[in-house]
Amino acid sequence: RKEVEQDPGPFNVPEGATVAFNCTYSNSASQSFFWYRQDCRKEPKLLMSVYSSGNEDGRFTAQLNRASQYISLLIRDSKLSDSATYLCVVNGDSNYQLIWGAGTKLIIKP
Amino acid sequence: EAGVAQSPRYKIIEKRQSVAFWCNPISGHATLYWYQQILGQGPKLLIQFQNNGVVDDSQLPKDRFSAERLKGVDSTLKIQPAKLEDSAVYLCASSYGRGTRETQYFGPGTRLLVL
Repeated sequence: RKEVEQDPGPFNVPEGATVAFNCTYSNSASQSFFWYRQDCRKEPKLLMSVYSSGNEDGRFTAQLNRASQYISLLIRDSKLSDSATYLCVVNGDSNYQLIWGAGTKLIIKP
Repeated sequence: EAGVAQSPRYKIIEKRQSVAFWCNPISGHATLYWYQQILGQGPKLLIQFQNNGVVDDSQLPKDRFSAERLKGVDSTLKIQPAKLEDSAVYLCASSYGRGTRETQYFGPGTRLLVL
């Protein structure tokens, strides 16, 4: 089992729809969780950190499920500009090591 | 505020040649990372520096890859000799601290093609 697993997609979603994707992780002791966004041929950029209580930033909601060891990202009222690859990042065994998922590609269609 | 700078942006070399990449992190950032990202995959950490010391280089292929950050600021990553499978984007990132809760800021990357 990979340390961090994501559905590669692509998710093809019409503009205005709600889309959600999950990321599973193998280390039950992980404490730090993030979603990064990577546009085509660009560098990754932090979208949001994921807190134990869940957190929301505008149209984006991130949740953590420790029991089942996954984090989720929900995008409401999707925009064309949301088209990107979403990378899940989880800390590894040490307190400075981060493990990156392969990313989920999202395509928003007009 | 200036972001992470990398050069060159693109490089094409033949296998068995050498290549070097340069990175200048955000001013004041103590931690610097080099990642390799192969098409369709997530970034893979090659090496992490805290100031001028190595924190983690467990995934660096040390027989051909080397990196240094001599003065604790900018850094170079070298591949010698290059193999076809080294074709990838090499991303440099920096963060203020080294803990896993730190936001990493990435440079635009260097796209390497090995023929």
